[in-house]
Amino acid sequence: KQEVTQIPAALSVPEGENLVLNCSFTDSAIYNLQWFRQDPGKGLTSLLLIQSSQREQTSGRLNASLDKSSGRSTLYIAASQPGDSATYLCAVPRDDKIIFGKGTRLHILP
Amino acid sequence: NAGVMQNPRHLVRRRGQEARLRCSPMKGHSHVYWYRQLPEEGLKFMVYLQKENIIDESGMPKERFSAEFPKEGPSILRIQQVVRGDSAAYFCASSPPVGGTGANVLTFGAGSRLTVL
Repeated sequence: KQEVTQIPAALSVPEGENLVLNCSFTDSAIYNLQWFRQDPGKGLTSLLLIQSSQREQTSGRLNASLDKSSGRSTLYIAASQPGDSATYLCAVPRDDKIIFGKGTRLHILP
Repeated sequence: NAGVMQNPRHLVRRRGQEARLRCSPMKGHSHVYWYRQLPEEGLKFMVYLQKENIIDESGMPKERFSAEFPKEGPSILRIQQVVRGDSAAYFCASSPPVGGTGANVLTFGAGSRLTVL
């Protein structure tokens, strides 16, 4: 049974810092992993998709890595800004559905 | 390409009434997923459909909830005899056909927020 865990549940850091969000999954037989961002009261925005054959993906200040063998993915945010404040969710496929972690609530302090 | 369209964005119902939430997938997407997000909770899978077929409804409550995706028109999540515990954000996502490029890569709508008084 695939379970997705995200640590930490919440994180507050000063503006400008680099930070890492963690995601772990129990079943390493995945073919992709997605990171999403959710702003309060809003829907989900896809940030990065990593296929199982890839080790990492980059988009601007975001870099996501994937280590299937250890069941882990990290989302690295460089030079954080107040606009990065949101909840970040990772998601992996399980059978015919996508399973989400509970997310990390990130607050960037100006 | 308008993306995944959900309506209504906000819906208020009294206990015992029915709620209908609609989702139009992205153009070219043939699969629709419904998720529920309770306050302070993560996204919970409810149901996965393709047109005229429910593929997986393992996350749907056994009673009062139903979903459909007809040949024409949007997918509909229907909640009968709503109770206060049904208050949540309901998100729809769509994906390309299975086996196609990007299968299981989800694009989400903005959600429908149901409040039961």
